[in-house]
Amino acid sequence: GAGVSQTPSNKVTEKGKYVELRCDPISGHTALYWYRQSLGQGPEFLIYFQGTGAADDSGLPNDRFFAVRPEGSVSTLKIQRTERGDSAVYLCASSPAALAGPTDTQYFGPGTRLTVL
Amino acid sequence: GENVEQHPSTLSVQEGDSAVIKCTYSDSASNYFPWYKQELGKRPQLIIDIRSNVGEKKDQRIAVTLNKTAKHFSLHITETQPEDSAVYFCAATIYVWGSQGNLIFGKGTKLSVKP
Repeated sequence: GAGVSQTPSNKVTEKGKYVELRCDPISGHTALYWYRQSLGQGPEFLIYFQGTGAADDSGLPNDRFFAVRPEGSVSTLKIQRTERGDSAVYLCASSPAALAGPTDTQYFGPGTRLTVL
Repeated sequence: GENVEQHPSTLSVQEGDSAVIKCTYSDSASNYFPWYKQELGKRPQLIIDIRSNVGEKKDQRIAVTLNKTAKHFSLHITETQPEDSAVYFCAATIYVWGSQGNLIFGKGTKLSVKP
């Protein structure tokens, strides 16, 4: 079946601009996670959705970062007034989080490489 | 909060040899420990995981061991092959029935298997 998809695959923007990154989770997965991966580092947690609500947004670095998941499926990560330090690969992951059974693996998307000039 | 340390940062082995990657974690409440493999430019992919109620798990050439007392866990790859070359990440999280928290990742180990 289809895995987690992310668009765009690459995004180049100028400092100060606004960007939106999209994540399409695996169909039926209720849990959705955003991570950020800098070069040579492990993924760093940003925010976690259970359904439509943000269950944990403690990883968002500041108020320039915001994410939504209005219908409990697709999610958009929004970054305002981008800075050069925001350059990284933004990864999305989803998992079934079935309340009637054990949680399964987090499946990652291919990521969006964001470059802020 | 949780902190995961991973060693070594790079590891080079000869084809057919074994490779061992070690991780330590700080939060004794963590109870789920997955390992991800990431090839260059690709997404992380789960290769094996272990929950805190078991001490070891094997899947063909890959095994993971967990020592809850010492708060460390290790990945063992036997009979390594060139296609095992990649960056490997360990991670830890607190799993509660029906809900998995965010993963805290180590910094990764770049494994190179020489033919």
